Amino acid sequence: NAGVTQTPKFQVLKTGQSMTLQCAQDMNHNSMYWYRQDPGMGLRLIYYSASEGTTDKGEVPNGYNVSRLNKREFSLRLESAAPSQTSVYFCASVGSPYEQYFGPGTRLTVT
Amino acid sequence: KNEVEQSPQNLTAQEGEFITINCSYSVGISALHWLQQHPGGGIVSLFMLSSGKKKHGRLIATINIQEKHSSLHITASHPRDSAVYICAVIIIGKLIFGTGTRLQVFP
Repeated sequence: NAGVTQTPKFQVLKTGQSMTLQCAQDMNHNSMYWYRQDPGMGLRLIYYSASEGTTDKGEVPNGYNVSRLNKREFSLRLESAAPSQTSVYFCASVGSPYEQYFGPGTRLTVT
Repeated sequence: KNEVEQSPQNLTAQEGEFITINCSYSVGISALHWLQQHPGGGIVSLFMLSSGKKKHGRLIATINIQEKHSSLHITASHPRDSAVYICAVIIIGKLIFGTGTRLQVFP
């Protein structure tokens, strides 16, 4: 039982490049979330998925897209990376009721 | 004004001291999380509570719904408790996070 896994752990992109952050959970949870964490700020919600086949915007969705591929996997895509997207990204899945399980994070730098 | 305010932002302590971290929030919530983030970056949930008090080992969390306030206490602190402690409230199924309290415990 791996919990929540994220790949990659680290990534450096040039401005304008695209990439997809992968997240998978093996706890059979319906809800999954993508957050970003920036210095001096609390984690902020980018997108979430309440169940397979549904996705909704969070607080800071601009510049991102998501796909809930199946119940296990929830990916986050940056179509054209910008330096403002330099951050640490966390995926989380939510059990019942409201128990949050976080992935190890992806540290992304955009130059 | 942030919906979730934590204090203090930074805290240093000597090993063995009793530590209190506070969290205040401004709206009605379903529940509140206390999370721990170690220097390596991983985030783990310590407690989720919607009323009263919970205890796990040397950690105690309390919440007062009427006063919109929660506290996290660490008894007999140890250097391995050094981490960032994050309060997060659940509002309509989503988490709103505080900015965290950075705790350093020295031997």
